[in-house]
Amino acid sequence: NAGVTQTPKFQVLKTGQSMTLQCAQDMNHEYMSWYRQDPGMGLRLIHYSVGAGITDQGEVPNGYNVSRSTTEDFPLRLLSAAPSQTSVYFCASSPLGAGEEGETQYFGPGTRLLVL
Amino acid sequence: AQTVTQSQPEMSVQEAETVTLSCTYDTSESDYYLFWYKQPPSRQMILVIRQEAYKQQNATENRFSVNFQKAAKSFSLKISDSQLGDAAMYFCAYRSAEWDNFNKFYFGSGTKLNVKP
Repeated sequence: NAGVTQTPKFQVLKTGQSMTLQCAQDMNHEYMSWYRQDPGMGLRLIHYSVGAGITDQGEVPNGYNVSRSTTEDFPLRLLSAAPSQTSVYFCASSPLGAGEEGETQYFGPGTRLLVL
Repeated sequence: AQTVTQSQPEMSVQEAETVTLSCTYDTSESDYYLFWYKQPPSRQMILVIRQEAYKQQNATENRFSVNFQKAAKSFSLKISDSQLGDAAMYFCAYRSAEWDNFNKFYFGSGTKLNVKP
């Protein structure tokens, strides 16, 4: 049981380049989400998904696209990278229902992205 | 949208002593969940403790306990017998229990805890 995995761990991009941050979970969680973490601002929600084929915007969605074709995978795409997207990105998952663990999120190890 | 405020950017505690981290939140909802997450230098986010708002009893997990004051919208974390391994960033987080807002988590800006030997 690997939990939530993210690749790559670190990436350098030039302005205007595109890339996809990968996220996968093996816990059969319906809910998956992407956050960015910037100094002094905590974690801010970018996009989330409540199941395959269903995605929605979070607090800071501009510049990012997501899709969810399977329960396990939830990639985050940067279509045209900008220096303002330099950040640490976290993927997280949880069961959808409330209950003993239904509201607790489990996080991946993070991807550090530098856009020059 | 809900907001979560951690007013202490950084705190220090002596090893074996007790420290309390503060968190306040703003919401009009009556049912929700609150969390404390720990982020060590490895950047991994680790769940420390969770509290359900409808439960009056404060949650405890070994050396970690919370003081949940629903009326005051306050959710502080107490770490007893502090250890060097407790040094980390600590984030307070909120999740609604209401269906139409259940899918969004809100995080505070974090408190960096230093533990002195």
